[in-house]
Amino acid sequence: GENVEQHPSTLSVQEGDSAVIKCTYSDSASNYFPWYKQELGKGPQLIIDIRSNVGEKKDQRIAVTLNKTAKHFSLHITETQPEDSAVYFCAAITDTDKLIFGTGTRLQVFP
Amino acid sequence: GAGVSQSPSNKVTEKGKDVELRCDPISGHTALYWYRQSLGQGLEFLIYFQGNSAPDKSGLPSDRFSAERTGGSVSTLTIQRTQQEDSAVYLCASSLGTGRNSPLHFGNGTRLTVT
Repeated sequence: GENVEQHPSTLSVQEGDSAVIKCTYSDSASNYFPWYKQELGKGPQLIIDIRSNVGEKKDQRIAVTLNKTAKHFSLHITETQPEDSAVYFCAAITDTDKLIFGTGTRLQVFP
Repeated sequence: GAGVSQSPSNKVTEKGKDVELRCDPISGHTALYWYRQSLGQGLEFLIYFQGNSAPDKSGLPSDRFSAERTGGSVSTLTIQRTQQEDSAVYLCASSLGTGRNSPLHFGNGTRLTVT
């Protein structure tokens, strides 16, 4: 079945710097890759997603890239702000429509 | 509008007791998922309901875990004879269609502590 690995587990950046989180997946048939943000005490929320027919997608300060050949996808946050501090999860969908999540990255943005 | 509602928000139980966790999905959402999040860990898939299809139970960790979804709406996750390793946050999510064409909307979870 699908396996998703995520790195790093923790990431600390200065406000205004960029942050990059990387994920790999195992099932070459996966074709949908969402990213979720989880704030303390809350459930995760979708922030951006990408489908396998595109290599990059951008939404303001957030971008996601996908390399299907290498089975890698990454989240890029530019001009980080303290409110970006949270746990971020990548995910990949299986052929039976289950979302399999990575282990999460705790991002801390210091003012 | 109302989001996904989970109850209770916190549950403390003694080892060996049974617990029931409830999820009220967003009205009209056909898909419902349960995930488990252990302290500092990722989201572990447990079970997936889609419409009237047979649920995908492939993530349930043991036969002590079961879930049902009545009338295509409310879902209950039951853990029998709880063990300390069952302590975690149990998250429910619903989506309008399948996970690949509509986002999952998560509740805030039930924090289960087994003493």
